[in-house]
Amino acid sequence: AQSVTQPDIHITVSEGASLELRCNYSYGATPYLFWYVQSPGQGLQLLLKYFSGDTLVQGIKGFEAEFKRSQSSFNLRKPSVHWSDAAEYFCAVDKTGTASKLTFGTGTRLQVTL
Amino acid sequence: EAGVAQSPRYKIIEKRQSVAFWCNPISGHATLYWYQQILGQGPKLLIQFQNNGVVDDSQLPKDRFSAERLKGVDSTLKIQPAKLEDSAVYLCASSLMYQETQYFGPGTRLLVL
Repeated sequence: AQSVTQPDIHITVSEGASLELRCNYSYGATPYLFWYVQSPGQGLQLLLKYFSGDTLVQGIKGFEAEFKRSQSSFNLRKPSVHWSDAAEYFCAVDKTGTASKLTFGTGTRLQVTL
Repeated sequence: EAGVAQSPRYKIIEKRQSVAFWCNPISGHATLYWYQQILGQGPKLLIQFQNNGVVDDSQLPKDRFSAERLKGVDSTLKIQPAKLEDSAVYLCASSLMYQETQYFGPGTRLLVL
């Protein structure tokens, strides 16, 4: 069965510092890959997605993610974090190639200190 | 455009009671999903509709959970009877078509006492 691992449960960064959130998946082929953000009391918002092609994907709010096949990873990055980025971040994969069978990781909670 | 709407936002019930959640997807979206998100976990798909037909309900606990999507628009998810372990956030999502990006509503937070 496919699985998604987000090894960091909680990360704290200072405002203005760079950010990298890790995501690893276990699946033989390359699945569809997603990053979602969930602010308190809000639903999940799609940050970016990777289906194929260029392995560096640009998303909304200044986020990007890089797909590395050799490491089965899809890490999320942002060069300079803003206080409003404090939220929970979920990596998700879909192995069916349909974007409709999402398996989510357990999430990483980001705290931003001023 | 309006997003996915859900109600109620919060619900507290006693175990063995029944509860229902409502979802109104983005206008024109044919595919609708219900997810369960237990505290500290990622969302887990419960059921997926394409228009008013069920595409996947393999993870829906059918002995107590039911869902319908009449007329291929709004949907309701029901739990009867509720158990303590049903305490979670229930998220509704919709997509324009099958195989399209999913857009999520704010969720209904359920607490079963």
